[in-house]
Amino acid sequence: NAGVMQNPRHLVRRRGQEARLRCSPMKGHSHVYWYRQLPEEGLKFMVYLQKENIIDESGMPKERFSAEFPKEGPSILRIQQVVRGDSAAYFCASSPGTGRGGYTFGSGTRLTVV
Amino acid sequence: EDQVTQSPEALRLQEGESSSLNCSYTVSGLRGLFWYRQDPGKGPEFLFTLYSAGEEKEKERLKATLTKKESFLHITAPKPEDSATYLCAVQAGRGAQKLVFGQGTRLTINP
Repeated sequence: NAGVMQNPRHLVRRRGQEARLRCSPMKGHSHVYWYRQLPEEGLKFMVYLQKENIIDESGMPKERFSAEFPKEGPSILRIQQVVRGDSAAYFCASSPGTGRGGYTFGSGTRLTVV
Repeated sequence: EDQVTQSPEALRLQEGESSSLNCSYTVSGLRGLFWYRQDPGKGPEFLFTLYSAGEEKEKERLKATLTKKESFLHITAPKPEDSATYLCAVQAGRGAQKLVFGQGTRLTINP
């Protein structure tokens, strides 16, 4: 049973380009969460999605960032016109549903903006 | 605003030297407190969930406890492979799904 799969593992983008980060949840999990870990900082919640719905985006920056979890395919975190401050590790987690329990995290995508 | 503070930031121990990591929290309506382990370059690995004060859970050399204001992760006779960053997180508020993380404690076990 594969865990949470994120790709790419490493992504280098020039300032102004777009970054697309993908996350396939664990089999049977319908809830996806994105977190960002800036250098020397803790994990910060960004967005919580279910299939075709954004449930909580209270941690998403107001501009340039968007997320989706389509009916078919992986969840996508999209960052438009990247800036150096977007350089971070982006982690995806999944869970089977609401209620008690922890999440399973992926290995992350390390985004470097040059 | 929900807050989680972990101490110490870093801890160096000799192999076999037991100690405890602290996680203090201020939340409205705790639904669960989580401990994760994170190795360099990897994602957090789930260790424990605690739901109510007085609860304890154990796994190998690790034991997590919970009070109304803080949680402790006790490490008994640690080995070098226990070296990692240990993260504490809370889930709070009715219907909330997001986790609020502390900064982590970087643990190093010297052989």
